Amino acid sequence: SQQGEEDPQALSIQEGENATMNCSYKTSINNLQWYRQNSGRGLVHLILIRSNEREKHSGRLRVTLDTSKKSSSLLITASRAADTASYFCATSRGAQKLVFGQGTRLTINP
Amino acid sequence: NAGVMQNPRHLVRRRGQEARLRCSPMKGHSHVYWYRQLPEEGLKFMVYLQKENIIDESGMPKERFSAEFPKEGPSILRIQQVVRGDSAAYFCASSPLVRSPVHLSSGANVLTFGAGSRLTVL
Repeated sequence: SQQGEEDPQALSIQEGENATMNCSYKTSINNLQWYRQNSGRGLVHLILIRSNEREKHSGRLRVTLDTSKKSSSLLITASRAADTASYFCATSRGAQKLVFGQGTRLTINP
Repeated sequence: NAGVMQNPRHLVRRRGQEARLRCSPMKGHSHVYWYRQLPEEGLKFMVYLQKENIIDESGMPKERFSAEFPKEGPSILRIQQVVRGDSAAYFCASSPLVRSPVHLSSGANVLTFGAGSRLTVL
């Protein structure tokens, strides 16, 4: 299975701190994507990193990809209460469909 | 652009009844995906389709579940003879057509999700 696995399963930090979530996968990939899901809502795409890229930034988000270790990390800097959500990594391999991990539940405490 | 539209948002069925969930993809998107999410869990892939064609149904249970995306109208996920274990949130997503491996690598498979349909089986 190419399913990603996020680590940790749950993370609780204080507002203003940085949050780091990790994702591991098992097979070669075309790209790796991160999505956010607010409680009771659909997923929203955050950022995509290609298999030949090592790092990518978007606002307060920083994503790294290590294909030799088959892992990725998502860093959210200067966290805000509105960042409270579940975060999922998703991978695709040679096909259009995405396979999602179990997610990290992030809680930002005011 | 209304995005991906799913309905109903909430559906309650008794065991043995049928559930039909509908999904209209984002304008300009040719592919529809269905995922199931159990409480506190990730999304499990079920099926993805383009108009009049199922491309990959490797995640669909062998019995009682079916999906279609007709030439006209929304995609339908149909669950026959529902059981309590079918209670979940069902998410639909759409994406444009992937034209090449480079296109795929660059993000043609970025998904736009609907708000989900929450099925409760009593």
